[in-house]
Amino acid sequence: DTAVSQTPKYLVTQMGNDKSIKCEQNLGHDTMYWYKQDSKKFLKIMFSYNNKELIINETVPNRFSPKSPDKAHLNLHINSLELGDSAVYFCASSQDIIRNQPQHFGDGTRLSIL
Amino acid sequence: AQKITQTQPGMFVQEKEAVTLDCTYDTSDPSYGLFWYKQPSSGEMIFLIYQGSYDQQNATEGRYSLNFQKARKSANLVISASQLGDSAMYFCAMREGQGGGFKTIFGAGTRLFVKA
Repeated sequence: DTAVSQTPKYLVTQMGNDKSIKCEQNLGHDTMYWYKQDSKKFLKIMFSYNNKELIINETVPNRFSPKSPDKAHLNLHINSLELGDSAVYFCASSQDIIRNQPQHFGDGTRLSIL
Repeated sequence: AQKITQTQPGMFVQEKEAVTLDCTYDTSDPSYGLFWYKQPSSGEMIFLIYQGSYDQQNATEGRYSLNFQKARKSANLVISASQLGDSAMYFCAMREGQGGGFKTIFGAGTRLFVKA
């Protein structure tokens, strides 16, 4: 049973398109995250939701819009894709926002912009 | 200023030997957590070990141990008896409490190569 699953695994598209990445966790966790890992492997937080509420919103272009329909899902929609959006996007979850628990990561979505 | 620093971009170790991956951190929050993650070439992020700022003893998980030196603000990962499958990127991460907005910040990573 996959704990944190994100789809698709690969996404190849053209500049200017709009795309979505879905994420679901079956761990019963309250908190979910989106990270971006660039070509140099640097991993940076983008958003965090706790019980469907946005709690962390780093300096991310407003072309990126997360949506959490329930606490088990956190989807990421990206409008007007740009070359610089090419990266691996990881979804993660943790028990809650308060405790220092490890984050469980999905396998990543490799986004390539042509 | 960097909050998490991993000074070794790459490391080599002979199979069956121990290796230490360095990590220093910077925070003024008294409550924080330190984590190590492994990212093999297949790309997934795997949690290895956790150390809380108030923990008195160093964390250990199988062949992984965390050398926590609070005064020096260092949290080095020690892998004993290296195996070929340990070849991967290793990330040190720190999660601050409310003072830091509950964010987890990752270091730049260390790529470990285990030689047969």
